[in-house]
Amino acid sequence: GAGVSQSPSNKVTEKGKDVELRCDPISGHTALYWYRQSLGQGLEFLIYFQGNSAPDKSGLPSDRFSAERTGGSVSTLTIQRTQQEDSAVYLCASSGDVATSEQFFGPGTRLTVL
Amino acid sequence: AQSVTQLGSHVSVSEGALVLLRCNYSSSVPPYLFWYVQYPNQGLQLLLKYTSAATLVKGINGFEAEFKKSETSFHLTKPSAHMSDAAEYFCAVTLDQTGANNLFFGTGTRLTVIP
Repeated sequence: GAGVSQSPSNKVTEKGKDVELRCDPISGHTALYWYRQSLGQGLEFLIYFQGNSAPDKSGLPSDRFSAERTGGSVSTLTIQRTQQEDSAVYLCASSGDVATSEQFFGPGTRLTVL
Repeated sequence: AQSVTQLGSHVSVSEGALVLLRCNYSSSVPPYLFWYVQYPNQGLQLLLKYTSAATLVKGINGFEAEFKKSETSFHLTKPSAHMSDAAEYFCAVTLDQTGANNLFFGTGTRLTVIP
């Protein structure tokens, strides 16, 4: 596609429910990143994919968070048993040029946990 | 460890005035540095990047930044502010030039342009 897309744009859920957030990267981009933007924490790195593998999961805040990527394209970030502190905007970015590290960001998914 | 510090969470300038947004980095190896802009309810858009070539980097919308190793700074400037420049600006650094390249962001500076 022309840019990185994310769905849904907004998600409201109840505490304890599971949610799935989707990211469609720019076609051909091999690297994919998830970040979280929240009032208290600013912009923080969550996880990185190169192809379908995730060599760096160091940013995932807890074992309730997981992510996968299939076919070297679409990625899903799953949050199990959501908590109120998970409320944030989740941003996805993709990159096709590792040497210059330019990442292209999607519009984000705003997650609200009630 | 690598990090960036943005001085001033809020900056207000008059339309037509100079814009100066400050960013200092901490890095043990030569960094790649970026400035991103975020308009309300939108994702991040790259303004400009420093990747060890020219130290004065020109970006979109008339913005530029100068990498100063001696001052560990990468301040963002624009000679004349426009109302459309009102947004939040993030400085970011990455070090792992052949690997993950995940970005470490500053806390952001919200720019207000006064008519």
